[in-house]
Amino acid sequence: EAGVTQSPTHLIKTRGQQATLRCSPISGHTSVYWYQQALGLGLQFLLWYDEGEERNRGNFPPRFSGRQFPNYSSELNVNALELEDSALYLCASSPTVYHSGNTIYFGEGSWLTVV
Amino acid sequence: AQTVTQSQPEMSVQEAETVTLSCTYDTSENNYYLFWYKQPPSRQMILVIRQEAYKQQNATENRFSVNFQKAAKSFSLKISDSQLGDTAMYFCAFMMGQAGTALIFGKGTTLSVSS
Repeated sequence: EAGVTQSPTHLIKTRGQQATLRCSPISGHTSVYWYQQALGLGLQFLLWYDEGEERNRGNFPPRFSGRQFPNYSSELNVNALELEDSALYLCASSPTVYHSGNTIYFGEGSWLTVV
Repeated sequence: AQTVTQSQPEMSVQEAETVTLSCTYDTSENNYYLFWYKQPPSRQMILVIRQEAYKQQNATENRFSVNFQKAAKSFSLKISDSQLGDTAMYFCAFMMGQAGTALIFGKGTTLSVSS
């Protein structure tokens, strides 16, 4: 069974540009989570989607946005890139939101470098 | 708000030794879940072990076990018979018991296992 897959593996963008990261959850999982892992800051919760809707977002500015498609895959968009957006972006998935305590499974991440 | 604290930024141990990683958390909730994730140099986040707060028995997975002290809000991870492959960053994480809540992570402990 395929795990959570993310693309691209690496992305280099210029300050002010937009970046789009993609994620495919484990088959049968409807919830997708995005986390940012910047050096020295640990994992910061960004966004959570389930059944096509944004369910929760972390303490990030509106230029971080995303969506979830009918097949439950998701994309994360970062507009007006800033140097401090350079980080590893991790996507994770879990089964339906209606069961508490579901284990969350992570992808290998997408490295975003802003120059 | 819930918080997770890992007070040991780095730890070192030799092969075959036992090591304990500390984690404390703060919550007013009574129903929640706790996790330890491992992130090796490949950056893939891997679930090591999980604990349901309503269970008194400490979770065990092969060489990995936890010491869950609910009253003290402590959740330490013990790794027995350490192996070189255990070298990684270890994250403690908290999830509230309500359906569909995101993981909250500590800042991580870097564990180095040497021969």
